[in-house]
Amino acid sequence: SQKIEQNSEALNIQEGKTATLTCNYTNYSPAYLQWYRQDPGRGPVFLLLIRENEKEKRKERLKVTFDTTLKQSLFHITASQPADSATYLCAGRDDKIIFGKGTRLHILP
Amino acid sequence: ETGVTQSPTHLIKTRGQQVTLRCSSQSGHNTVSWYQQALGQGPQFIFQYYREEENGRGNFPPRFSGLQFPNYSSELNVNALELDDSALYLCASSGDRGGSPLHFGNGTRLTVT
Repeated sequence: SQKIEQNSEALNIQEGKTATLTCNYTNYSPAYLQWYRQDPGRGPVFLLLIRENEKEKRKERLKVTFDTTLKQSLFHITASQPADSATYLCAGRDDKIIFGKGTRLHILP
Repeated sequence: ETGVTQSPTHLIKTRGQQVTLRCSSQSGHNTVSWYQQALGQGPQFIFQYYREEENGRGNFPPRFSGLQFPNYSSELNVNALELDDSALYLCASSGDRGGSPLHFGNGTRLTVT
């Protein structure tokens, strides 16, 4: 079956360091991947979109890559801050959208 | 610019009952999609409406149905509620049917007892 897989374990990163989150997809060829941030009790908030013909996208402290050979996207937050602590969701979109379970990120002061 | 709003925020129902959840899309958006998010899971796509027509559906039974109105607001109806229907139901609007970013509401927390 088509899957988007994210490391479901929480990720603890020291403030100021770079946080890297992984998203892998199987039996699926998304035309693009989207990354969202979700805080407890809130709906997801869109962060970045990357298309299959793009290698990398950046927005302020955020960077996302898309490797169609590895079937993987990496999401980086540089100079991380405690306010970046949240769950980050990866979503693949083709004719339908599939979300991963999300990775909980904790930035430790 | 008004964001996506959902009502109610919380709801408790009994197994076998029916429920209607409502969503007002962001102004200028003509596409609405609904998602079910169980605790600790990612959102699961239920269905999408574009200009009042359903144009995509996930793996949900027919007791999950919906409507989109001329003002692009939407309803999700669930009949014959089951305990496993307990979840956060999210509505999202976007500018077209394709790859535009989704703008989510904060959801309706449904508890089925």
